[in-house]
Amino acid sequence: AQSVSQHNHHVILSEAASLELGCNYSYGGTVNLFWYVQYPGQHLQLLLKYFSGDPLVKGIKGFEAEFIKSKFSFNLRKPSVQWSDTAEYFCAVNEREKGGKLIFGQGTELSVKP
Amino acid sequence: DSGVTQTPKHLITATGQRVTLRCSPRSGDLSVYWYQQSLDQGLQFLIQYYNGEERAKGNILERFSAQQFPDLHSELNLSSLELGDSALYFCASSVVPGNEQYFGPGTRLTVT
Repeated sequence: AQSVSQHNHHVILSEAASLELGCNYSYGGTVNLFWYVQYPGQHLQLLLKYFSGDPLVKGIKGFEAEFIKSKFSFNLRKPSVQWSDTAEYFCAVNEREKGGKLIFGQGTELSVKP
Repeated sequence: DSGVTQTPKHLITATGQRVTLRCSPRSGDLSVYWYQQSLDQGLQFLIQYYNGEERAKGNILERFSAQQFPDLHSELNLSSLELGDSALYFCASSVVPGNEQYFGPGTRLTVT
């Protein structure tokens, strides 16, 4: 069965520090990959997506992610975090052929100290 | 604002009761998805509709049902509610299955 694993449950950083959140998925077929962010008390917002092509994708708010097919990974990065990046981050996948349902990781809570 | 609307925002009800959650997708989106978010289970896919037809089912209990109407809005019906059904219920929509999904603000259900 498909599964998505996010290695860090809670990450605490100071402002201006660099961020990397790990995401690995388990699925043998072709997948679409997503990162969503959930700010406190708000709904999920799409940060970025990967369908095909350049494995380095850029999203909103200075975030980027790299798809490494051989490692089944899709790690999220940001060179310099801000206090406003404090939120929960979810990695998700769906099967390209079937489309549809997203399988989410457990989420990583990011706390940025001013 | 994602363009996906959900009502109500909050719902408090008693065990054994039945509730209906409503979702209106973004303009032009044909596919609607329902997810449940709880502390112990995380974000779990419940069910998907595409252009009025059920397309995929996830971990949806038999006590739960959903439908998508001709105007593409969707309703999730939860019956015989139990304390463990307390959660955030999100609706999402996409143009077609497989495309990125846009999430609504959610309905927080509290069963007492």
